[in-house]
Amino acid sequence: GAGVSQTPSNKVTEKGKYVELRCDPISGHTALYWYRQSLGQGPEFLIYFQGTGAADDSGLPNDRFFAVRPEGSVSTLKIQRTERGDSAMYLCASSSDGAGELFFGEGSRLTVL
Amino acid sequence: GDSVTQMEGPVTLSEEAFLTINCTYTATGYPSLFWYVQYPGEGLQLLLKATKADDKGSNKGFEATYRKETTSFHLEKGSVQVSDSAVYFCALSQGGTSYGKLTFGQGTILTVHP
Repeated sequence: GAGVSQTPSNKVTEKGKYVELRCDPISGHTALYWYRQSLGQGPEFLIYFQGTGAADDSGLPNDRFFAVRPEGSVSTLKIQRTERGDSAMYLCASSSDGAGELFFGEGSRLTVL
Repeated sequence: GDSVTQMEGPVTLSEEAFLTINCTYTATGYPSLFWYVQYPGEGLQLLLKATKADDKGSNKGFEATYRKETTSFHLEKGSVQVSDSAVYFCALSQGGTSYGKLTFGQGTILTVHP
């Protein structure tokens, strides 16, 4: 595609439910990043993939959060047993090789009731 | 750990006014510095960057100079337009394999009135 695509754009769920957020990076980009942005704050790094492997997952807040990128393209961020504090905008970005400019998607807004 | 502090907003200006958004950072070594912009309804976009001390990044009339002695990277524009209304984020990265692992400031909302 022309840019980074994230789905869904909005997700409302109930506390305790499981959620998946999808990111489709720019074609050919090997590096993929997930960030979380709370209201009124800057984005915070969650995890970085180079190809299929997670090169750095130091930003994942706890073991309820998990991300995969099985074929080195699309990535899914998975959140188990959601909590109200997980409510945020989840941003995905990709870059051509991990050393160049990041291109961000428009984000998936998650609301946990 | 690394951190970025931006001037508190929001900032409201009239068209053609001079803009400064302050940004200071705390980091080890020699990070790369960035300004990102988020226009309403759009994703974050890189506005400009500087990778070493005294470098000046520039784009679309915006400028910022990497000042290591003051650990600052202030964003300036001589004459703002209504279309510059957006949220501006200062950020840094440690480069190398961590180039895309950005530490962001909290953002500054800019509103420009005609």
